[in-house]
Amino acid sequence: NAGVTQTPKFRILKIGQSMTLQCTQDMNHNYMYWYRQDPGMGLKLIYYSVGAGITDKGEVPNGYNVSRSTTEDFPLRLELAAPSQTSVYFCASSYPSSDALSSYNEQFFGPGTRLTVL
Amino acid sequence: AQSVTQPDIHITVSEGASLELRCNYSYGATPYLFWYVQSPGQGLQLLLKYFSGDTLVQGIKGFEAEFKRSQSSFNLRKPSVHWSDAAEYFCAVAAYSSASKIIFGSGTRLSIRP
Repeated sequence: NAGVTQTPKFRILKIGQSMTLQCTQDMNHNYMYWYRQDPGMGLKLIYYSVGAGITDKGEVPNGYNVSRSTTEDFPLRLELAAPSQTSVYFCASSYPSSDALSSYNEQFFGPGTRLTVL
Repeated sequence: AQSVTQPDIHITVSEGASLELRCNYSYGATPYLFWYVQSPGQGLQLLLKYFSGDTLVQGIKGFEAEFKRSQSSFNLRKPSVHWSDAAEYFCAVAAYSSASKIIFGSGTRLSIRP
C-alpha cells in the first residue's frame, strides 16, 4: 500500500491565484482530514470527512473548500490565495471508530505540501 | 474545550542520555491521548496512544509514556536516545466526537548532541 499520498510537494502561488491540493489514500479509510501546520503552532484542522459525500468544517476552514466524491480522494481547494495561507498542509486518514466511547483510531498522515503565497 | 500544552519548544540531549518530553492536557473526562513524531520533511507517525487501562504505555522505537490523571500529564520518555530520534514530537488529545478528531500541541523539537 502507498498509504496517504499528496501532490504537489511544493508550490508557490501569487496572491489571488487558485489551486487544488490533492490527497489520495489506498487503505479504504472512511475518515479523512486536512490540517495546516504553521511554525510553532502545531497542526490545525481545516476540514474533515467521515465518508464519500460528507464533509464538515474544522477549526480553520475560512478560505478553503473540500469535496469527497470517492472514498479514496479528498482534495482541498484554495480559491483566492492569500499570504496568510502560506503553510505546510497535511492530509490524513483513519478508520472510523466502531464506538465513540471506546476508541479513537490512529490517523495516517501524508508527507505534506509546502505552499508559499507571495 | 480540549487543549494540549507542550511547555518545551526545543530540547537538546546527548546521544545515549535519557529523555522526557512534557505534555499537559485539559479535558473534562477521561482523555484519549497520543504522541506523534515528525521527522524532517515527513508527515506524522504515531508513537503510542492511551485510551484506558495501564497508565504506562509502550510505543514504537523504544518510547513510553505515563498517564497521570492527578497532574493532567502524559509525558513521553525514552531511556537512551539515538541520533535518529532527532525530530519534532507532538502530543495530542482526542476531541470527543464521532469523527476521531484530535487536537495537537504546538510540538517539541528534539536535537541530539553527538
